[in-house]
Amino acid sequence: DAGVIQSPRHEVTEMGQEVTLRCKPISGHDYLFWYRQTMMRGLELLIYFNNNVPIDDSGMPEDRFSAKMPNASFSTLKIQPSEPRDSAVYFCASSDIAGGSYEQYFGPGTRLTVT
Amino acid sequence: AQSVTQLDSQVPVFEEAPVELRCNYSSSVSVYLFWYVQYPNQGLQLLLKYLSGSTLVKGINGFEAEFNKSQTSFHLRKPSVHISDTAEYFCAVRSNDYKLSFGAGTTVTVRA
Repeated sequence: DAGVIQSPRHEVTEMGQEVTLRCKPISGHDYLFWYRQTMMRGLELLIYFNNNVPIDDSGMPEDRFSAKMPNASFSTLKIQPSEPRDSAVYFCASSDIAGGSYEQYFGPGTRLTVT
Repeated sequence: AQSVTQLDSQVPVFEEAPVELRCNYSSSVSVYLFWYVQYPNQGLQLLLKYLSGSTLVKGINGFEAEFNKSQTSFHLRKPSVHISDTAEYFCAVRSNDYKLSFGAGTTVTVRA
C-alpha cells in the first residue's frame, strides 16, 4: 500500500483565499483524522471520521474550517477565508479500528503558508 | 481526559551514547500508549506501542519503552544512538474514543 497520501505537499496562499487540503487514507481503514502542527500549539486533533461520518469536530478552530469525507478513499479540509495564523503543517492519519489496529498511520503532511 | 507531558524539550546526545526520553501521562481509563518519531519534513511514524501485557515494549530501530503504572510513566530508551536518530519524538495516549493526545515533543540531536 502507498500509505496515506496528502496533497499538495506545500501551499502558499494570500490571506482571504480559500485553501483545500486533500487526503487519501489507506485502503480499508475506517477512521480518518485531521491534525494541525504548529510550534506554539504542537499537534492538535481537528476532526475525525468513522466510516465517512464526522464523529468529533470539537478541535476545529472556527467556522472558517470545514472538513468532508464524501467516500472511504477521500477527505478534504477547507479553510475559507484563510488567515496568516492558519499557517501550519496539516496531517491526515488513518486507522483500521474495526480490524483491531490501535495505530494511526500518518501522511507526509501539507505545509500551509498564508501571507 | 487524557494528557501527556514530555519532560524534556531538547536532548543533545553524542553518537553511540544512550538516550532516555521521559513521558508522563494522566488517564482515567484504560491506557494505550505510543511513541512516534518525526524526521525533518516528514509525517509521524510509530516507534512502539503499549496496549497490555509486558511492561517492557520493544520497537523499531532499537528503541524500547517501559510502562510504569504506579509512576504513570512511559519513558523511551535506546542504548546506543546513531546520527540518523536525530528527529523529534512524540509520546501519545489514546482514549476510548480512539483519539490520540500528544505531548509537546522532544527534539533529539545526535552529534558525532
